[in-house]
Amino acid sequence: QVQLQESGPGLVKPSQTLSLTCTVSGGSISSGSYYWSWIRQPAGKGLEWIGRIYTSGSTSYNPSLKSRVTISVDTSKNQFSLKLSSVTAADTAVYYCATFKEGYYSYFDYWGQGTLVTVSS
Amino acid sequence: QSVLTQPPSVSGAPGQRVTISCTGSSSNIGARFDVHWYQQLPGTAPKLLIYGNTNRPSGVPGRFSGSKSGTSASLAITGLRAEDEADYYCQSYDSSLSGWVFGGGTKVTVL
Repeated sequence: QVQLQESGPGLVKPSQTLSLTCTVSGGSISSGSYYWSWIRQPAGKGLEWIGRIYTSGSTSYNPSLKSRVTISVDTSKNQFSLKLSSVTAADTAVYYCATFKEGYYSYFDYWGQGTLVTVSS
Repeated sequence: QSVLTQPPSVSGAPGQRVTISCTGSSSNIGARFDVHWYQQLPGTAPKLLIYGNTNRPSGVPGRFSGSKSGTSASLAITGLRAEDEADYYCQSYDSSLSGWVFGGGTKVTVL
């Protein structure tokens, strides 16, 4: 069973770049079985899909965040990463990495525990 | 505002049946994109509960069931138990937004 673990700074200053890494265990990120995704959740609010990447490096992003988001993959470390630039307080949220299984049915099946990122000076 | 609309809260006594609605539009649920449901227990990550409108992953009790019709979907919990207190989210794909979208979430309270 795939396991995911987010890591990165818990505090980011406004206008700076938020950077998070998701480490995958229990399976190879190169297996081609999944797309690798980021989802966030502001405190007390709902879930927002940020974007996803395939092993090949092919990406797709939420149009509302596309101009600020970069997702990359490092197959040698079995990790994928999120960068969100020009952050504001509105980007404060718990950030989750998750697997996206695409097939006859497409859904997010495995999730990391989440990491809280606060944007504040 | 979320693209998919859910009631903020529902409640029921132990053993009762509760349902959670998820209302979309012609660019998501109505466009025949599948609906999936996630359960988020307090302080934890969401967990897949129902996929492909009606299917339960291995390990999910049969008390949970999903349905879909037109531009809406529903999650039903029968024989409500204390451990079902959680937030529940529906999710689908939206062709107008070209991305995956979630409902705003519904908090289930067991009275």
